[in-house]
Amino acid sequence: KQEVTQIPAALSVPEGENLVLNCSFTDSAIYNLQWFRQDPGKGLTSLLLIQSSQREQTSGRLNASLDKSSGRSTLYIAASQPGDSATYLCAEKETSGSRLTFGEGTQLTVNP
Amino acid sequence: EPEVTQTPSHQVTQMGQEVILRCVPISNHLYFYWYRQILGQKVEFLVSFYNNEISEKSEIFDDQFSVERPDGSNFTLKIRSTKLEDSAMYFCASSEAPAASYEQYFGPGTRLTVT
Repeated sequence: KQEVTQIPAALSVPEGENLVLNCSFTDSAIYNLQWFRQDPGKGLTSLLLIQSSQREQTSGRLNASLDKSSGRSTLYIAASQPGDSATYLCAEKETSGSRLTFGEGTQLTVNP
Repeated sequence: EPEVTQTPSHQVTQMGQEVILRCVPISNHLYFYWYRQILGQKVEFLVSFYNNEISEKSEIFDDQFSVERPDGSNFTLKIRSTKLEDSAMYFCASSEAPAASYEQYFGPGTRLTVT
């Protein structure tokens, strides 16, 4: 059974700092990995999808990397802003099946 | 920009009652999903649906749950006899295809409270 873990559970940084969020998965038979943002009491906003054949994906100040061999993905946020404050979730999709398996999330607070 | 919509945003029901949660997926998407998130816990997969049938379901999706696409736009999740532990945020999602390059897009969720 696939397990997805995110460390740390919470992170507080000053505005302008570059930061890295971590995601680990146990099964190398990964199809793709998707990063989401969740604001309190709200739905999930897709940020980036990185396919198993890719090493990284970029969107604006966000960069996601994927290392299948080590079972890790990172989300890099450049020049963080208070508006980036949210919970960030990673979710992995296996080669077989359609489900996403989610991590617990990292709650990010960017202080002005 | 197209988005997944869900109604109602909040549903309160008594234990043992039936509830129907509604979703309108993005119009050109063919694959539909339900997930739930119990307060303070991970988002969990319930079921996926394609071509008018369930393509995958989790162990959570037991006989008290059912899904339906009653028309060309709506996708529903029915819980026949609600239990206290069904209280959660329920998210609908859709994707164009299940292939690696296609993202799943999520709706804003329906908060279900069972009393």
